[in-house]
Amino acid sequence: DAKTTQPNSMESNEEEPVHLPCNHSTISGTDYIHWYRQLPSQGPEYVIHGLTSNVNNRMASLAIAEDRKSSTLILHRATLRDAAVYYCILRDPGSARQLTFGSGTQLTVLP
Amino acid sequence: GAGVSQSPRYKVAKRGQDVALRCDPISGHVSLFWYQQALGQGPEFLTYFQNEAQLDKSGLPSDRFFAERPEGSVSTLKIQRTQQEDSAVYLCASRGQNIQYFGAGTRLSVL
Repeated sequence: DAKTTQPNSMESNEEEPVHLPCNHSTISGTDYIHWYRQLPSQGPEYVIHGLTSNVNNRMASLAIAEDRKSSTLILHRATLRDAAVYYCILRDPGSARQLTFGSGTQLTVLP
Repeated sequence: GAGVSQSPRYKVAKRGQDVALRCDPISGHVSLFWYQQALGQGPEFLTYFQNEAQLDKSGLPSDRFFAERPEGSVSTLKIQRTQQEDSAVYLCASRGQNIQYFGAGTRLSVL
């Protein structure tokens, strides 16, 4: 499986944008980039996913580099409820059914 | 309750006891996954079902771990003769439209 690299932790101020980076230099052409987050004492929660083009939904935006070797999850206005561990995951739907989680980025939102 | 439901939320077992963890997936979801999450780590894949068929059990750590989904809906993860190293959060997920939906997990503590 292609691996992802994320910073262990990041801090943000409330109501400011947050950019969470992910490096995946060995990504294959069929790997989708998925982001999940895990709030304290909860199971992981889907955030967003994409293949090549930037994606937007009500929770976040996903910016994918042109060479696809990195991506950035953008939370447009962080709230205290966004404090969580954010996981960047690659999955090739043709060969892997499960998600392979790394250690993720612990996001702290400061009031 | 349209989400994935797991029970119990917390389970304390004495070493050597057998435990059974239950997962109620989202209605209609064919795919069901079990993951194990150690403290401070990301979830790790245990096993995968498509309807009642267990198609992948490569992540089960030992033959003390057994999972079933006899009618293609509710699933049970059973751990026999529990050991201290089995202490973890056990997460269940069902998949719809390429998104995995997770339950809140069962926290197992083996004393």
